[in-house]
Amino acid sequence: QQPVQSPQAVILREGEDAVINCSSSKALYSVHWYRQKHGEAPVFLMILLKGGEQKGHEKISASFNEKKQQSSLYLTASQLSYSGTYFCGTEILGYALNFGKGTSLLVTP
Amino acid sequence: DAGVTQSPTHLIKTRGQHVTLRCSPISGHKSVSWYQQVLGQGPQFIFQYYEKEERGRGNFPDRFSARQFPNYSSELNVNALLLGDSALYLCASRRLAGPDTQYFGPGTRLTVL
Repeated sequence: QQPVQSPQAVILREGEDAVINCSSSKALYSVHWYRQKHGEAPVFLMILLKGGEQKGHEKISASFNEKKQQSSLYLTASQLSYSGTYFCGTEILGYALNFGKGTSLLVTP
Repeated sequence: DAGVTQSPTHLIKTRGQHVTLRCSPISGHKSVSWYQQVLGQGPQFIFQYYEKEERGRGNFPDRFSARQFPNYSSELNVNALLLGDSALYLCASRRLAGPDTQYFGPGTRLTVL
């Protein structure tokens, strides 16, 4: 039930864009995106619900294809502070998040 | 508003011992979930509690147990500690039981020697 994330790692220069993908083999209630910096807890970025509702960070956008059980996180005009590991959490049963292995993002000057 | 709080921050135990981790959710949040995160992996779901009732349990042995109190705070207990229990234990809270924004606490780093 663990979602699959791609790519595993990406290196960007400041100002460049990136897309992180998350796919599940099961139908989803929702998809959650988090960013985690080394030694810290995951920080909430965005939640995407069935039916199209989204809540989250103003400068980050995401999509949720319910039919394909896929979600993508779009990071535009990346900043140094965007560096970290990005996790998608998928909700199948309505109460538990299953997290992928993460995508490591490094933004360089 | 205060975020999710957890105590202690760090803990060192030896094999076979017992540990209790504590979590206080964001004010107004009635659901608390516990996750285990080992180095290099995403968080793994252990338990969810809502209104003091267990709503779900992940694939963890019976050595792991939890409860939620009337003030919605929660405890995670782990008995007969193994070396493999060394991890970051994260508590997360949300307002509802179902799909809703979930916020993580800072975590408790448990080391088992």
